[in-house]
Amino acid sequence: DGGITQSPKYLFRKEGQNVTLSCEQNLNHDAMYWYRQDPGQGLRLIYYSQIVNDFQKGDIAEGYSVSREKKESFPLTVTSAQKNPTAFYLCASSIFGDGELFFGEGSRLTVL
Amino acid sequence: RKEVEQDPGPFNVPEGATVAFNCTYSNSASQSFFWYRQDCRKEPKLLMSVYSSGNEDGRFTAQLNRASQYISLLIRDSKLSDSATYLCVVNGGSYIPTFGRGTSLIVHP
Repeated sequence: DGGITQSPKYLFRKEGQNVTLSCEQNLNHDAMYWYRQDPGQGLRLIYYSQIVNDFQKGDIAEGYSVSREKKESFPLTVTSAQKNPTAFYLCASSIFGDGELFFGEGSRLTVL
Repeated sequence: RKEVEQDPGPFNVPEGATVAFNCTYSNSASQSFFWYRQDCRKEPKLLMSVYSSGNEDGRFTAQLNRASQYISLLIRDSKLSDSATYLCVVNGGSYIPTFGRGTSLIVHP
């Protein structure tokens, strides 16, 4: 079955540690996105990539980094520079220009 | 002004009621529009795409008003299982999907 897989589903980290969230898709989609969601809030765009080896900052990119070395994969690193990283992180993909997003199940990060 | 705005609610309605949500957008070059449903602590899932001519799927009807720059979602005969947050998504001219904050719906017996 085609879809998007995010891992881990739950992650705990100590302050000052970098963590990487995995996102893999087998839908052959060109575009991939990372969103952050805080309780009671909508989704805010962190980074997006519309083609392999290229990515752009979204609205809240500070403290995050990404790579897009393969079409299927778009990992997100939450660095120690991110001041308030506890949140629900959602990865999505779409056929470029179409707009309909397909989401992974999300990764819930808690900083202890 | 935010790019995509929704009334966060909550909308608290009895079973069987009809409820409508609106979503306004600021970018007149926006190309495509969607409604997503998100259950608590889950990922959003596509409910409906919104077409210029309007579209209907069972109890759900979505409409687009380009002149006034808003989209709407109408839910008829509300069920308890319709309780969720409904997210409006607008795809701007740069093909970057932008989300509204979401509207919370609570359907009670």
